[in-house]
Amino acid sequence: NAGVTQTPKFQVLKTGQSMTLQCAQDMNHEYMSWYRQDPGMGLRLIHYSVGAGITDQGEVPNGYNVSRSTTEDFPLRLLSAAPSQTSVYFCASSTGSGQGNSPLHFGNGTRLTVT
Amino acid sequence: SQELEQSPQSLIVQEGKNLTINCTSSKTLYGLYWYKQKYGEGLIFLMMLQKGGEEKSHEKITAKLDEKKQQSSLHITASQPSHAGIYLCGALRGNFNKFYFGSGTKLNVKP
Repeated sequence: NAGVTQTPKFQVLKTGQSMTLQCAQDMNHEYMSWYRQDPGMGLRLIHYSVGAGITDQGEVPNGYNVSRSTTEDFPLRLLSAAPSQTSVYFCASSTGSGQGNSPLHFGNGTRLTVT
Repeated sequence: SQELEQSPQSLIVQEGKNLTINCTSSKTLYGLYWYKQKYGEGLIFLMMLQKGGEEKSHEKITAKLDEKKQQSSLHITASQPSHAGIYLCGALRGNFNKFYFGSGTKLNVKP
């Protein structure tokens, strides 16, 4: 089992460029989510999905788009990168939503720098 | 999230010493999760607490949930360098589809 796989591990973008952070899980988890981690801010929820075709916003959704066409994949898109989006991004999944008893499984993160 | 406050923000202890990390919620807790993050890596799930008074242990790490105080504590006994990392507490909110996390506690253990 690979668990949650994120690619790339590192990325440098120039302001205004676009890119997609990939996230895939092989655990057949319905719930998937994206977080960004900044010093002193902890993890902040960007977007989440409770199943294929269903997405919703978290705490800090501005500047990011997501889609969930399959159970396995949950890509995060930056349409026009800004320096404020420099951060470490984590993808996480769990077995189900609304249960309150399913821990999140995390990928190893993507370190993004926007210059 | 400011809804979950962790203390202390950082901690340096001598190997072999005990330590406690606290996580306090400003809202009702429906469940509390503890994670550990090694520097530069992803988060590893440690424990989940769901009922007031619940206490769980894994090796030398014990976590307890005080539902009335909306607080959880993580206690490490006889710390080792392998315990070093960032400890984060997390909780479910609202419609149970949103996991929120505290800002983390950085732990260093001196050999």
